[in-house]
Amino acid sequence: EAAVTQSPRNKVAVTGGKVTLSCNQTNNHNNMYWYRQDTGHGLRLIHYSYGAGSTEKGDIPDGYKASRPSQENFSLILELATPSQTSVYFCASGEGQTGTEVFFGKGTRLTVV
Amino acid sequence: SQWGEENLQALSIQEGEDVTMNCSYKTYTTVVHWYRQDSGRGPALIILIRSNEREKRSGRLRATLDTSSQSSSLSITAAQCEDTAVYFCATGTNTGKLTFGDGTVLTVKP
Repeated sequence: EAAVTQSPRNKVAVTGGKVTLSCNQTNNHNNMYWYRQDTGHGLRLIHYSYGAGSTEKGDIPDGYKASRPSQENFSLILELATPSQTSVYFCASGEGQTGTEVFFGKGTRLTVV
Repeated sequence: SQWGEENLQALSIQEGEDVTMNCSYKTYTTVVHWYRQDSGRGPALIILIRSNEREKRSGRLRATLDTSSQSSSLSITAAQCEDTAVYFCATGTNTGKLTFGDGTVLTVKP
């Protein structure tokens, strides 16, 4: 079964601090994605990757960086966390073709105080 | 936004009833995904419909796609309490990126 694992599952960070969210997939998918979900809204794409060493900006990349050191791992980095980045973050992986399934992790709840 | 409906919608029905959720999108797509999200979990694909399929069925689920009106619907027949979840429609690109609508919160009461 396709597996996407996120860590940590919950995180409280201070304003101005650095936060790293990690994601690991065992699907051998080339593409990985980071989305955020705010209460009452759908998911919005932050960054994505086509493979190891590649990162691309999504629809809302400001304030975030991404890192894809290997096929399996994809990190989301908040260099200077702000309260507006309080949200639930989802990592996903997929084959990257039209009409193929995207598999999501269970999410990381981030609170910036 | 890709989607015409900007706000999360809520539907509450009794067990055994049928329900239909609708989405409309602004830009051209050949595929509409329908995802289900249970509380505390990530979204999971439940049905996918392509532009040449107009209708797709999977168990008690039925999806439609009307490319002329740029709209899609998801129907659940004889809803069960376990169908309680948030349902999202999403359009996909050839890079696998998904653009999600705001979703429908479905509550099925016993």
